[in-house]
Amino acid sequence: QVQLKETGPGLVQPTQTLSITCTVSGFSLTSYYMQWVRQTPGKGLEWMGFIRSGGSTEYNSEFKSRLSISRDTSKNQVFLKMNSLKTEDTGVYYCARDLLRGYYVMDAWGQGASVTVSS
Amino acid sequence: DVQMTQSLSYLAASPGESVSISCKASKSISNYLAWYQQKPGEAYKLLIYSGSTLQSGTPSRFSGSGSGTDFTLTIRSLEPEDFGLYYCQQYYEKPLTFGSGTKLEIK
Repeated sequence: QVQLKETGPGLVQPTQTLSITCTVSGFSLTSYYMQWVRQTPGKGLEWMGFIRSGGSTEYNSEFKSRLSISRDTSKNQVFLKMNSLKTEDTGVYYCARDLLRGYYVMDAWGQGASVTVSS
Repeated sequence: DVQMTQSLSYLAASPGESVSISCKASKSISNYLAWYQQKPGEAYKLLIYSGSTLQSGTPSRFSGSGSGTDFTLTIRSLEPEDFGLYYCQQYYEKPLTFGSGTKLEIK
């Protein structure tokens, strides 16, 4: 059974770094691209970036300068790190699996990690 | 970036009725269009991709149509579990972009 679960800090202070872990089961990270998508009150659903099955990454230029996506295949985990957080980054962050490598359609999603950026 | 517009943010219908949800792209995206459903407390669910291909497990009462810039998700004979939020997403080019969503509620 395919499962994805995001875990994050809940509350982050402005200017700090956000770290979220996506733990997956039921499939191998070496076989699928993994996407990160967020949903904010101001901009709705936004694609952030992905890590390919081979480990390379691609980012939305909107976030490129402050976003990093990585993984640990031995632990079945994908990581999102974003620095210089602002209040506008408040929202829900989702990891999702690509239907097929490079298809950019997401066939499995986590429940999301809610993040509030506030002092 | 390709802008995806779902002109109807809210739609009310009764079980048994048929509804159509529209999505318009700011440029031609061929058929690189997916539809997702979101229900409270549940993960997003992929319903349709390539404009009209049903994802495994999607009931046959759902159908997708369109190509180029205009797309439609149709749900025939609404069931109670169909109520929720529906989003379109283009994957013709990066950055991938989503519509703002249409909330389907019980009348």
